[in-house]
Amino acid sequence: SQQGEEDPQALSIQEGENATMNCSYKTSINNLQWYRQNSGRGLVHLILIRSNEREKHSGRLRVTLDTSKKSSSLLITASRAADTASYFCATDDTNAGKSTFGDGTTLTVKP
Amino acid sequence: EAEVAQSPRYKITEKSQAVAFWCDPISGHATLYWYRQILGQGPELLVQFQDESVVDDSQLPKDRFSAERLKGVDSTLKIQPAELGDSAMYLCASSITSGVLEQYFGPGTRLTVT
Repeated sequence: SQQGEEDPQALSIQEGENATMNCSYKTSINNLQWYRQNSGRGLVHLILIRSNEREKHSGRLRVTLDTSKKSSSLLITASRAADTASYFCATDDTNAGKSTFGDGTTLTVKP
Repeated sequence: EAEVAQSPRYKITEKSQAVAFWCDPISGHATLYWYRQILGQGPELLVQFQDESVVDDSQLPKDRFSAERLKGVDSTLKIQPAELGDSAMYLCASSITSGVLEQYFGPGTRLTVT
C-alpha cells in the first residue's frame, strides 16, 4: 500500500517554466524524500527533508514540508528538457524504518 | 562513482518457469532492498535486508518468492513459479545502514512473463 500520493499524475510544461508537484501522506513521518526516475531506469535520490524542516533547496529544486497538512511540494525552477522524468515522494514512517513510495508525477518538459 | 549492479537487465520467461535476479549493492552498504514496480506505479518494497538478515518481508509473496543475502553482500531474488501478474520492473537499492534512508537504486530488471 502506498502512503504518499502525488498530484498531479502528469504535468506538461515548456522549457524554462517552473514545475510544481505535490505529495500528500497519511501518517506521522520522520523524513520525506523526493526521487527522480527516467524512463525504464532506476530511481535517483534528489532531496531529503526532515519533519522539523519547512523548506530545503538544492540547485534548481525547492522542497517544502507542511506536517500539519501532511503535504510536501517539489518545485523545479527554470525547467529543462532533461528534467523530463517521473518524480516520486517517499515517506519515512516514524516507527517503520523504511520508505514508502507514492505513484509519482510524470513530468514532460517540451523544448 | 559506485553504483548498484543488477542483472539481467531484461528477462522474458514463460509462466510456471523459475526466474532469478541478482543484485550487488554499493560496497559497504549494510542495507539492501528489493522493490517491485508495476508500470505507472511507485516501487513497492518486497524485502529488506540488514547485512544477511531479513528485517522486513511482509509484502513478499512467500509462496512463490524467495530472497537471500547469504554473506551480507550481494543478493538474489527468485520467483518460482512465475505468473503473468509478476510482469514488472524489479529494483534493487542499497543504503549505508537502515538508519540512513537515502537509497541508491540499480537500473532494474524488466521481467515479462508470457
